[in-house]
Amino acid sequence: EPEVTQTPSHQVTQMGQEVILRCVPISNHLYFYWYRQILGQKVEFLVSFYNNEISEKSEIFDDQFSVERPDGSNFTLKIRSTKLEDSAMYFCASSGGGAYNEQFFGPGTRLTVL
Amino acid sequence: QKEVEQNSGPLSVPEGAIASLNCTYSDRVSQSFFWYRQYSGKSPELIMSIYSNGDKEDGRFTAQLNKASQYVSLLIRDSQPSDSATYLCARGDDKIIFGKGTRLHILP
Repeated sequence: EPEVTQTPSHQVTQMGQEVILRCVPISNHLYFYWYRQILGQKVEFLVSFYNNEISEKSEIFDDQFSVERPDGSNFTLKIRSTKLEDSAMYFCASSGGGAYNEQFFGPGTRLTVL
Repeated sequence: QKEVEQNSGPLSVPEGAIASLNCTYSDRVSQSFFWYRQYSGKSPELIMSIYSNGDKEDGRFTAQLNKASQYVSLLIRDSQPSDSATYLCARGDDKIIFGKGTRLHILP
């Protein structure tokens, strides 16, 4: 069964450093998403991406964040200058679109900012 | 404004019984509603989606949607210890808005 994959599974970085989180969505999906979950809190939407551009972004997704689809398979989230409060699980999701937008999540990357 | 509300639990149910999970939402525009299961330290796993008023059954799971009351529920029949997890109610036609989740504990 096709699945979303993410790398790395765990990333530790120093405050102020740049990190890139990588995702390979399900191969025939067209809609891509990033969500995050701070420990003990709910899953929060960050950004949606379709047709090589951002469709929607949340208030969390400020100028420190960017997304890119550098080739036909990868979808990346970059945080330019990490803060302590960026520590969270980051989930990539993809959807085939259609009327009901079922989204399938990857296993996540745990980001720890020291 | 809280958009998707769930009781955080824990909800304890004996093995073999029916587990009933409930959720209310405040947005009248969304057409799509979902139940995700999340084990501790893992990612959300889609278990049910529902778009029309009424019931939708898939194996041991039944989702119920009442748009007039802005209410979604999930019934799990013949509960198993492996069903112990946090169940996330969600709505959304593009971005998904999640509730905080209900922790379910199946007692062997």
